Amino acid sequence: GAVVSQHPSRVICKSGTSVKIECRSLDFQATTMFWYRQFPKQSLMLMATSNEGSKATYEQGVEKDKFLINHASLTLSTLTVTSAHPEDSSFYICSARPGRSGEKLFFGSGTQLSVL
Amino acid sequence: QKEVEQNSGPLSVPEGAIASLNCTYSDRVSQSFFWYRQYSGKSPELIMSIYSNGDKEDGRFTAQLNKASQYVSLLIRDSQPSDSATYLCAVRAGANNLFFGTGTRLTVIP
Repeated sequence: GAVVSQHPSRVICKSGTSVKIECRSLDFQATTMFWYRQFPKQSLMLMATSNEGSKATYEQGVEKDKFLINHASLTLSTLTVTSAHPEDSSFYICSARPGRSGEKLFFGSGTQLSVL
Repeated sequence: QKEVEQNSGPLSVPEGAIASLNCTYSDRVSQSFFWYRQYSGKSPELIMSIYSNGDKEDGRFTAQLNKASQYVSLLIRDSQPSDSATYLCAVRAGANNLFFGTGTRLTVIP
């Protein structure tokens, strides 16, 4: 099956620093990737839809200047949490879908961000 | 975001029993429905998808969809301890967005 690689798997950083998370589709091209956030015991919440070669589409309530998304190629999307604060501590997961109309969504392994 | 609701559980069933997981959704134009399994600290993995009314069976898993009632369920037959996980219901209404329920935590007791 398709593989989505996400790293780092875990990051601990000081408040005010920026953290970059990478999401790669290893064996397929993904014109669209998705970024989710999951707080403990809560649902996956869609943050933004990342489109290759164009600006990301952010969900309501997600600050685009704080969560910078870059989808520079068909196999790589990055999420940068700028000036991270303790309330940004969460589990971040990316996903990608092969092709434009495929239904299956493949997830990365997630990144646990802890901001001290 | 669209509402997708699940009982948070925990749901406990003995090994070998049938586990029944339920999900309701609010958006009538929803077209695609998915069940994901998520082990603690891991990312979700797709186990079933269903698009039309009725039942869809895959091994020990059966998904049931009733669009009139806006209800989708997952049955796990012959439950095994390895099935213990959180099961997430997800619904897609448009081309891209996928909305998740809060998940139901299932524990299969040996």
